[in-house]
Amino acid sequence: EVQLVESGGGLVLPGGSLRLSCVASGFSFSTNWMTWVRQVPGKGLEWLANVHPDGTTIYQADSLKGRFSLSRDNTKNSLYLQMNSLRAEDTAVYYCARYIEVVVGGPFFDYWGQGTLVTVSS
Amino acid sequence: QTVVTQEPSLSVPPGGTVTLTCGLTSASVSGNHFPTWLQQTPGLAPRTLIYRTNIRSSGVPDRFSGSILGSDAALTITGAQADDECDYYCVLHVGRGLWVFGGGTKLTVL
Repeated sequence: EVQLVESGGGLVLPGGSLRLSCVASGFSFSTNWMTWVRQVPGKGLEWLANVHPDGTTIYQADSLKGRFSLSRDNTKNSLYLQMNSLRAEDTAVYYCARYIEVVVGGPFFDYWGQGTLVTVSS
Repeated sequence: QTVVTQEPSLSVPPGGTVTLTCGLTSASVSGNHFPTWLQQTPGLAPRTLIYRTNIRSSGVPDRFSGSILGSDAALTITGAQADDECDYYCVLHVGRGLWVFGGGTKLTVL
């Protein structure tokens, strides 16, 4: 059974930092792309980034560039989102998902984690 | 900036049929955007219903179907049930590995 479990969320002061983790099980993590998506409470979903299996290729939304960085540790089946200089507008539930990137047929998202809530507030 | 449009809200009577659409302000949606539809009950994680325009995820009832209708991607629910009442999001691949979500449609079954 595929499972994705996010952690690391919590309350942080504006300007602070937080590292989110997503631990995967039930599939070959090291050969799969992964995705981060966030959702401001009561609002819609926002795609943030896709991370290549080897971590070297990352596609990310412009809103992430400069403050957030992405990485993964395939030995730990883990995906990370390092968030710096956090702002109130970064308050959201952060989800990870498995991203299927194939040449034939086209890409899509399939399995989703339950999310972790980040609250940026003084 | 790419904007993906969805109806903010729709309603359908139990047993009825409803079509949700997903468009682009700057172009027509095609299969090359790999339209994906997600279902989300508030407070819970999203679930992928349809991907690559019209492929149902495992376990998704066949009352859900995806298509391209004119210049939009579409999600049609045939024979709506009470537990279909939730939020639906489409997401489109806009090139260079980038994806953009629509604002979501809140579906009411009544």
